[in-house]
Amino acid sequence: GAGVSQSPSNKVTEKGKDVELRCDPISGHTALYWYRQSLGQGLEFLIYFQGNSAPDKSGLPSDRFSAERTGGSVSTLTIQRTQQEDSAVYLCASSLVAGAGELFFGEGSRLTVL
Amino acid sequence: GESVGLHLPTLSVQEGDNSIINCAYSNSASDYFIWYKQESGKGPQFIIDIRSNMDKRQGQRVTVLLNKTVKHLSLQIAATQPGDSAVYFCAENMRETSGSRLTFGEGTQLTVNP
Repeated sequence: GAGVSQSPSNKVTEKGKDVELRCDPISGHTALYWYRQSLGQGLEFLIYFQGNSAPDKSGLPSDRFSAERTGGSVSTLTIQRTQQEDSAVYLCASSLVAGAGELFFGEGSRLTVL
Repeated sequence: GESVGLHLPTLSVQEGDNSIINCAYSNSASDYFIWYKQESGKGPQFIIDIRSNMDKRQGQRVTVLLNKTVKHLSLQIAATQPGDSAVYFCAENMRETSGSRLTFGEGTQLTVNP
C-alpha cells in the first residue's frame, strides 16, 4: 500500500486477555517503530526494528509486551494478560533509512481494555 | 529524567494570523529536532525538521527556529488556515545514544477560528 497500515483499527478486550496488533510498513522501509499514545498525551517509544539488527526494546513497559518483525516487513505487537492501563492508541511508523527523521505513521490501533 | 515539553497546551488563533508553537527541551546533547502534526483520529504527520548545526529552516508556510543556548524550539505557521487545526508535537533525537529513537513532547492543540 501507499502508507503504513495497521490493524485492527479498534480493539476492545477484557482484562487478562492477550491481544495482537499488526503493522504493515511502507514497502522498502527498513526501519519500523512502535509508539504508544495515551489519551491527550504525547508518544511513548516502545520498540524499534532496523533490518536484521537486534531490535531496541528499551521502551517496552513490561515483559507482557513483545514484538516481532517477520521477513523484515510486517510487525506484530503482542500484549499478554492485558491490563486497563494498557488502553491507548498504538502507533506504528516506518522510515526508509535508520536515523532518518521522517517517520511515516499509520493511523494507529486503539486498544480498550475493560 | 530528560524530556521534551511544550510551554502551552492550547493555542487559539484567528484564520489568517500567524501561529507560533513553542517547545522546550532539556537534553543539550540532542542533535535533531522534528515537528509533527496530528489531526484527530490520525497518526502524526511530519512537518519539518532541523539539525542542531542550524538555527532556522523554512518550509511551505512553516518555519522552525532552534535556539540551542536556551534549548528552545519553535514552529511558526504563516497565514494559519482552518486545516492547520491539530495537535503539534515536537520531537528530539540524540543519535549518539538514542539511535533512531525519537522522544516526543506532550503536544499543543492549535485551534484556528474562522
